[in-house]
Amino acid sequence: ELKVEQNPLFLSMQEGKNYTIYCNYSTTSDRLYWYRQDPGKSLESLFVLLSNGAVKQEGRLMASLDTKARLSTLHITAAVHDLSATYFCAGEPTTSGTYKYIFGTGTRLKVLA
Amino acid sequence: DAGVIQSPRHEVTEMGQEVTLRCKPISGHDYLFWYRQTMMRGLELLIYFNNNVPIDDSGMPEDRFSAKMPNASFSTLKIQPSEPRDSAVYFCASSVAGVILGEQYFGPGTRLTVT
Repeated sequence: ELKVEQNPLFLSMQEGKNYTIYCNYSTTSDRLYWYRQDPGKSLESLFVLLSNGAVKQEGRLMASLDTKARLSTLHITAAVHDLSATYFCAGEPTTSGTYKYIFGTGTRLKVLA
Repeated sequence: DAGVIQSPRHEVTEMGQEVTLRCKPISGHDYLFWYRQTMMRGLELLIYFNNNVPIDDSGMPEDRFSAKMPNASFSTLKIQPSEPRDSAVYFCASSVAGVILGEQYFGPGTRLTVT
């Protein structure tokens, strides 16, 4: 059974700093997804990573996938306050044959001015 | 497109009452997912449908929970009788098969409070 773990769970960082959120998963996963959730809001899709070595970038966020290490990372460059949110990664079990996600616990990011 | 629509957005009910949550997926999407989010347990998949047929309900916590999808544009999640521990935010999401991305689109959620 696919298990997805994120770390850290909480992250407080200064504006302008760089940091990385890690997402480890336990078994093979077809795809890896990153979502953002603002307090009291729904989940918004950020990245879809389809294969080993995939790298996607949007603004100050960059996501990558290493299927051999069963690891995805979300890198934040020069953080700004607007990036404060909870970030989730989700894996899709290879054997599922569908789009069933297993979510990580989430990383609550707070960017301090 | 209006996105995934959920109603009500907030529901407050007393223990023992029946609660029905509603979801309208994005038109053309053939997968529909119900999730529950709590601080303690995070995001949990309750059940999902493909072409209106329930595929996996292993996440439904107990018999008090039931879900239906009578047609491609409507689904309900019912809790009967409700209990305080059912208090959570319930999300509905939809996606479309045949597109390699498999991306799920989430609705705004229903915040349920059972007193």
